[in-house]
Amino acid sequence: GDSVTQMEGPVTLSEEAFLTINCTYTATGYPSLFWYVQYPGEGLQLLLKATKADDKGSNKGFEATYRKETTSFHLEKGSVQVSDSAVYFCALYLMDSNYQLIWGAGTKLIIKP
Amino acid sequence: DTGVSQDPRHKITKRGQNVTFRCDPISEHNRLYWYRQTLGQGPEFLTYFQNEAQLEKSRLLSDRFSAERPKGSFSTLEIQRTEQGDSAMYLCASSVDRVGGELFFGEGSRLTVL
Repeated sequence: GDSVTQMEGPVTLSEEAFLTINCTYTATGYPSLFWYVQYPGEGLQLLLKATKADDKGSNKGFEATYRKETTSFHLEKGSVQVSDSAVYFCALYLMDSNYQLIWGAGTKLIIKP
Repeated sequence: DTGVSQDPRHKITKRGQNVTFRCDPISEHNRLYWYRQTLGQGPEFLTYFQNEAQLEKSRLLSDRFSAERPKGSFSTLEIQRTEQGDSAMYLCASSVDRVGGELFFGEGSRLTVL
């Protein structure tokens, strides 16, 4: 079945470090791919998305490229800040799934000053 | 604030009691979703409405769970005869009716069943 696999957390980094959170997927069709972020005490927010192969989504300094050949959508940021501490979820969306999102388990990111 | 709002934010109840959660979506959004999230996991799909029609229900949604969206605006999720395993965060999201439409989430309603 369709699924999303994320790297396990927590990921702990120092401020200004480079961030990569891995996400790979399995899907029978051609999904759209998303990264959502959940800050402490808040709801899920869309961080970025990509709807077709080789698209790059970007927002707030974060980037992810839709790689069909490796079925991946890894999240990257060149220099993280303490305020980036949150849980990050990778998700996919298939048009024939009644618009359900299929979610990874989430990766907790902790940034230390 | 015109985002998705959920009420109550936190509910503590005893096993066997009934609870009801309410979700008010963004006003122009005709799609509404309920998800359940437990600690350390991603959201699990429960059910989905397009306007007032409930179009899909997950197998997770046992007969103790019922959701309504009577006028295509707000929605309620009721859990009858709660069990400790129902303890979770219940998330509501809404979106516009188009392919790839972004889901906007509320802050969730946390249920604790004692």
